[in-house]
Amino acid sequence: NAGVMQNPRHLVRRRGQEARLRCSPMKGHSHVYWYRQLPEEGLKFMVYLQKENIIDESGMPKERFSAEFPKEGPSILRIQQVVRGDSAAYFCASSGQGRTEAFFGQGTRLTVV
Amino acid sequence: AQKVTQAQTEISVVEKEDVTLDCVYETRDTTYYLFWYKQPPSGELVFLIRRNSFDEQNEISGRYSWNFQKSTSSFNFTITASQVVDSAVYFCALSVVSFNKFYFGSGTKLNVKP
Repeated sequence: NAGVMQNPRHLVRRRGQEARLRCSPMKGHSHVYWYRQLPEEGLKFMVYLQKENIIDESGMPKERFSAEFPKEGPSILRIQQVVRGDSAAYFCASSGQGRTEAFFGQGTRLTVV
Repeated sequence: AQKVTQAQTEISVVEKEDVTLDCVYETRDTTYYLFWYKQPPSGELVFLIRRNSFDEQNEISGRYSWNFQKSTSSFNFTITASQVVDSAVYFCALSVVSFNKFYFGSGTKLNVKP
């Protein structure tokens, strides 16, 4: 399966812990996007990255959230000191150089207890 | 600014009925893409269709059809002869040419009862 791979699928964290969400884009794709879906809502853009660069982070909360897409390895969305309001589904999408299509992963469901 | 509105929060139909899901979008860009995604109870996003702003032809794929009207900024989705397996949340989305972002509507939950 050469699709966008996200792991873990489900993640449970206690308040105050750190959450790390991983996204491996489709083979050959160098553009990654992260979206958050709060319960009963649509997806909201968080951040757009290319290899080693953050292109647009206008949707990222100002504190506790960070994202990276290193030269080697998956993209990581990191949430520090999680709070209950961070409980959501986090989706990753990737696109190729032409950016004429974007493919979504299956999402990571974060539950903060 | 870009915006997608799905005014129907939830729709319930009986199997074999036809159902139309509405989507209205706003953008000042002349080049953009419109999408529909299905999110079944398992949670993943299933791509259904992509339309670019220069192609107003309606499309039919099996029981699914889409009506794109630039004059009313609408991109409606019709399921003919609905089935229980169609029960899901359906999202309409907009992306402008740079593809930096998708703008999603809030979704329409479709319940198809046997």
